[in-house]
Amino acid sequence: NAGVTQTPKFQVLKTGQSMTLQCAQDMNHNSMYWYRQDPGMGLRLIYYSASEGTTDKGEVPNGYNVSRLNKREFSLRLESAAPSQTSVYFCASSEETAVASRVTIYFGEGSWLTVV
Amino acid sequence: ILNVEQSPQSLHVQEGDSTNFTCSFPSSNFYALHWYRWETAKSPEALFVMTLNGDEKKKGRISATLNTKEGYSYLYIKGSQPEDSATYLCARGFGNQFYFGTGTSLTVIP
Repeated sequence: NAGVTQTPKFQVLKTGQSMTLQCAQDMNHNSMYWYRQDPGMGLRLIYYSASEGTTDKGEVPNGYNVSRLNKREFSLRLESAAPSQTSVYFCASSEETAVASRVTIYFGEGSWLTVV
Repeated sequence: ILNVEQSPQSLHVQEGDSTNFTCSFPSSNFYALHWYRWETAKSPEALFVMTLNGDEKKKGRISATLNTKEGYSYLYIKGSQPEDSATYLCARGFGNQFYFGTGTSLTVIP
C-alpha cells in the first residue's frame, strides 16, 4: 500500500529559488498536513487542510504557501527559499478533521531540503 | 501552554533490557495523546492513540499508560531488541492540531 507519498525525497536549493513539494495520499482521507522537523524541536505544523478546498495556517506558516489540489493531493510551495527553511518536511493525512485530535495521522517518508 | 516534553532525550540499552520513557503535557483541555515510532528515512509509524485517563495500550512488547490528571504518559519496551532502535515521539492533540515532543532516541546495543 502506498499510503502517503511525497516528492522529492532530497533537494538542494539556492537562496531565493522556489520549489514545490508534492504530496498524495490514497487512503481517501479528508485531512492533510505539512510538518517540518528541525533538530532539537518537535514536528511543527506548517499548514493543514481539513477538507478539499480549505487550508489553514499552522504554527510556522511564514514563507510557505499550500494548495489542496483535490482530495488526494496537497502541495507545499516555497516561493523564495531561505537557509532557515532547511529542514525535513513531512506530509501527513488523517481520516477526518482532527477536531478531537483522536484520529491516527499517517505520515509520508519525509523530504530533506537544504537551502544554501 | 501546549508544550509537550519527552525524557530522556536519548537512551542506550543492552539487548534484552526493559526500558521506559516519559511524555509530559499540559493536563487541561485534554483530547488525546499519541505515540509514534520513527526510524530515520522512514515514515513515523503510529503506535497508540490514548484518550482516557488510566488507558493502557499494548502492542507486542511495547505498552503505554496515560495519566491525564497529572499530564503524563509512559511508554514501556520489554526485552528490547536491536530492531526497536528508533526515535519515539509523543504528540498531544488539541483542537485541529497536534503538538509533538522532541522525541526519545533509543539505541539497543546487541
